[in-house]
Amino acid sequence: QVRLVESGGGVVQPGRSLRLSCAASGFTFSNYAMHWVRQAPGKGLEWVAVISYNGSDEYYADSVEGRFTISRDNSKNTLYLQMSSLRTEDTAVFYCAKDSGDGYPHGGDYFDFWGQGALVTVSS
Amino acid sequence: SYELTQPPSVSVSPGQTARITCSGDAMPEKYAYWYQQKSGQAPVLVIYEDTKRPSGTPERFSGSSSGTMATLTISGAQVEDEADYYCYSTDSSGNDWVFGGGTKVTVL
Repeated sequence: QVRLVESGGGVVQPGRSLRLSCAASGFTFSNYAMHWVRQAPGKGLEWVAVISYNGSDEYYADSVEGRFTISRDNSKNTLYLQMSSLRTEDTAVFYCAKDSGDGYPHGGDYFDFWGQGALVTVSS
Repeated sequence: SYELTQPPSVSVSPGQTARITCSGDAMPEKYAYWYQQKSGQAPVLVIYEDTKRPSGTPERFSGSSSGTMATLTISGAQVEDEADYYCYSTDSSGNDWVFGGGTKVTVL
């Protein structure tokens, strides 16, 4: 069965960096686009970033563009999110999610499997 | 940027019908998807492509779409259906990934 396990969350000071990882299993990771979605405490879901199956295409939410970088290592079945210049408003649970489509990011595709999330707290 | 609008909350008695709406300008041409999120858990897909139920979604959950509004209906709501529900869709160009603000469903 599909399994997505996030790691790397924790407490970080404003302005610092943090990298999240998402280990995937139970499907052919290299065939699918992958996303990060976040949820601030008590708030709704916010899409963050997506990467194509081969890493050639990346898209970001305006709120993180230029500060976050999504990447993947298909040899390790792992998705990453490098977060820099972190702000207090970045405090959230970060979920990795599998895309339902053909490997290229399309807004019309959806998230068919989710991990359990990793909590990132940005605080001094 | 594109927005999807949901009511913040819906309350229903057990066994009654709950309806959650999601409005967006691109709804006439784009599919809506619905996620259920129980407290402390990851979201789970309950309806895809406006009306389809993934395996595992109870039959009391149904979806519809008309014009600029999609609707998730829970017929005969159960206490275990208490959760936050999020619609998801994209803009007319298909270049955005957008969630509605979420609707808290209370069954009591």
